[in-house]
Amino acid sequence: EVQLLESGGGLVQPGGSLRLSCAASGFTFSNDAMTWVRQAPGKGLEYVSSITESGDITYYAESVKGRFTISRDNSKNTLYLQMNILRVEDTAKYYCVDTPRLNGHHFPANWGQGTLVTVSS
Amino acid sequence: QSALTQEASVSGTVGEKVTLSCTGNRNNIGSYGVGWYQQISHGPPKSVMFGNSLPSGIPDRFSASKSGTTASLTISGLQPEDEADYYCATWDFSLNARVFGGGTKLTVL
Repeated sequence: EVQLLESGGGLVQPGGSLRLSCAASGFTFSNDAMTWVRQAPGKGLEYVSSITESGDITYYAESVKGRFTISRDNSKNTLYLQMNILRVEDTAKYYCVDTPRLNGHHFPANWGQGTLVTVSS
Repeated sequence: QSALTQEASVSGTVGEKVTLSCTGNRNNIGSYGVGWYQQISHGPPKSVMFGNSLPSGIPDRFSASKSGTTASLTISGLQPEDEADYYCATWDFSLNARVFGGGTKLTVL
């Protein structure tokens, strides 16, 4: 069974930093791309960032480009999201999502429970 | 404003067939497969469709199709447990990012 366990969320002041982690199990982590998706309170799902299977290519939403960095350690089956210069509007639950290649396309597939990030003074 | 457009709300009665739509452009839906995600009461989302393939454990009353730049999710034989928010998502090559629809709230009457 695929399990994705996010951690590292919490309360941080504007301008501060946080590092999210996602521990993966139940599948071959290095075979799948990975994605971070967030959801602000009462709002819809918003793409944040994704990374290829080997970690050599990363992608970001325009809203986080230059502030967030996605990375992975395939030896530890762990995905990371380093978040710097945090803004109030970054307040959201952050989901780690396994993104395998299926029928020629990558699809976000299995979702973690999420970790809550609150940016407030 | 979301890159993909979904109905804000759709309703149906138990046993009815309902179709949710997701409209994009040639940079996204027109070029890539569309995933559909169910979110019940703000819990974690669950995948209900990868393109036109059902994930393991999803009942076959769920089906999907795509025509040009519009994708559709159809639920045949609507059940009370299908009441949820549904999101579509795909890749956009002009943005070099994944894009989501704003979500459709499905109410089962």
